[in-house]
Amino acid sequence: DQQVKQNSPSLSVQEGRISILNCDYTNSMFDYFLWYKKYPAEGPTFLISISSIKDKNEDGRFTVFLNKSAKHLSLHIVPSQPGDSAVYFCAASRNTGTASKLTFGTGTRLQVTL
Amino acid sequence: EAQVTQNPRYLITVTGKKLTVTCSQNMNHEYMSWYRQDPGLGLRQIYYSMNVEVTDKGDVPEGYKVSRKEKRNFPLILESPSPNQTSLYFCASSRQGPEKLFFGSGTQLSVL
Repeated sequence: DQQVKQNSPSLSVQEGRISILNCDYTNSMFDYFLWYKKYPAEGPTFLISISSIKDKNEDGRFTVFLNKSAKHLSLHIVPSQPGDSAVYFCAASRNTGTASKLTFGTGTRLQVTL
Repeated sequence: EAQVTQNPRYLITVTGKKLTVTCSQNMNHEYMSWYRQDPGLGLRQIYYSMNVEVTDKGDVPEGYKVSRKEKRNFPLILESPSPNQTSLYFCASSRQGPEKLFFGSGTQLSVL
């Protein structure tokens, strides 16, 4: 049972345009959400997070939006750059502070073309 | 440099031959965890440790063992590897709890 889903395995975006990566979750107990970025032959690295008490968090070119009623979050990258080409994983946890694990999605491969 | 170090990076072995993948972090983190990454399944947690001598099962613990005798090290042990354990393994750590994990570079394991 995949509790965190990324339904788009891949996405191609032109340099300078907006990239939008989507993630859906089924467990209403999740209260903290994160995005990780992974380059080939490297481990994932933390990118941005959002608590369920917010609906938006911004960090430079990266913005995460959370729609709790729809159980949906999205990552916006504006403007997209070739160095953003990577696999992006969304992840969720519950009971922040006492949580024991992150539940990851299956990943979306973003390719930013020139 | 703050990092999580896994060894080896690549390992090919045969069914039933015991192996250990080492993991060490130099950030004095309390929390450590092992994940495996498989195509179409994302990252799935194998075991985690909230602190020294405290370990617990994740989502897919069958066929694996771990130990946390000291804060910096969290080895993953496969007592009798099987082909379905062929996967890309990641060790991760964080200051407290699983949220903002620092990952190692991964160990690609093939069990023949």
